[in-house]
Amino acid sequence: NAGVTQTPKFRVLKTGQSMTLLCAQDMNHEYMYWYRQDPGMGLRLIHYSVGEGTTAKGEVPDGYNVSRLKKQNFLLGLESAAPSQTSVYFCASSYSMTAVSYEQYFGPGTRLTVT
Amino acid sequence: GQQVMQIPQYQHVQEGEDFTTYCNSSTTLSNIQWYKQRPGGHPVFLIQLVKSGEVKKQKRLTFQFGEAKKNSSLHITATQTTDVGTYFCAGGGVSGGSNYKLTFGKGTLLTVNP
Repeated sequence: NAGVTQTPKFRVLKTGQSMTLLCAQDMNHEYMYWYRQDPGMGLRLIHYSVGEGTTAKGEVPDGYNVSRLKKQNFLLGLESAAPSQTSVYFCASSYSMTAVSYEQYFGPGTRLTVT
Repeated sequence: GQQVMQIPQYQHVQEGEDFTTYCNSSTTLSNIQWYKQRPGGHPVFLIQLVKSGEVKKQKRLTFQFGEAKKNSSLHITATQTTDVGTYFCAGGGVSGGSNYKLTFGKGTLLTVNP
């Protein structure tokens, strides 16, 4: 099992450009999450999904959109990148029917720089 | 504003010394989780606490959940260089929200001098 994978690992964008970050999990998890991590700020939830076809806003959703067309994939889109979106982005997944906790499994992260 | 506070922000210890990080929530939590992130890595789950007053141990690590389910602590006995990293607490059910939706503290960066 690969667990949670993220594509790409690194990306440099110019202000105003768009991009999509892909997250995939092979653990049959129901819930998936996108976080951003900035120095000294911990992890902040951008958007999350509790199942295929459903998404919801987290703590810092502005400037981002998401889609969950397939249970195993969760996409994060930036329509018009801004320097304030320079960050490390982590995807996570949790919960399956056999789970006993809400433990989240994190991907390796995507380091995004917007110039 | 920040609903899950974690202190200290940084802690530097000599190898063999003990280490403690504290987590406080402004509201009652349904569960609290702890994660460790090595430098350059991703957060890795350590433990989940659910019951009031719960104490769990993993080798040299001791985790506590307060009686009011608003605070928690992680204590490491006799630190080793392998303990280096940032330790995050994450509260579930903050402000009556869903159990699976976590609010992370800002983390405590632990460095260990060999």
